[in-house]
Amino acid sequence: NAGVTQTPKFRVLKTGQSMTLLCAQDMNHEYMYWYRQDPGMGLRLIHYSVGEGTTAKGEVPDGYNVSRLKKQNFLLGLESAAPSQTSVYFCASSYLVGGAGNEQFFGPGTRLTVL
Amino acid sequence: GQNIDQPTEMTATEGAIVQINCTYQTSGFNGLFWYQQHAGEAPTFLSYNVLDGLEEKGRFSSFLSRSKGYSYLLLKELQMKDSASYLCAVRDQGGYSTLTFGKGTMLLVSP
Repeated sequence: NAGVTQTPKFRVLKTGQSMTLLCAQDMNHEYMYWYRQDPGMGLRLIHYSVGEGTTAKGEVPDGYNVSRLKKQNFLLGLESAAPSQTSVYFCASSYLVGGAGNEQFFGPGTRLTVL
Repeated sequence: GQNIDQPTEMTATEGAIVQINCTYQTSGFNGLFWYQQHAGEAPTFLSYNVLDGLEEKGRFSSFLSRSKGYSYLLLKELQMKDSASYLCAVRDQGGYSTLTFGKGTMLLVSP
């Protein structure tokens, strides 16, 4: 049971390049999330998904796109990377609302630098 | 929207007790979470409160007062490995349970 995994772990891009970050979970969770974490800013929600084929915007969605074609995978795309997108990106997943805490489980993160 | 405040940094001594406070102003409330995050690692879940009162889990306890928009995380018998960032997060009352995180409190435990 791997939990939440992310690829790649590290990446360096040049301004204007594109890339896709992959998140996979094997816990059969309905909800998946993408966050970015910057020094002094905390975790901020980029996009999230409440089920296969659905996505929604979070707090800081500009410059990113997402897709959830399969329940276990959630992809984050940067079409034209900018230095302001240098950050650590975390994926998370959780069960549906209802019942107890339904805490989010986080992946190990992707450290992205845009030059 | 949500506004969540936590102290930026705290220091404490091994074996001591430390209390990390979190205050929030929200348009809706459906639970408060505490996460621990060691440097360079992912956040991991510590505790959850949705009703007023204290939840105890071993050396860690979390308290919630909904009327005051206030929570704290209490760490007892501090160990060096407790040096980490502690994140307070509030779940809103909407249909989809997204979390809003505070900026985190960096705790340094010294010998």
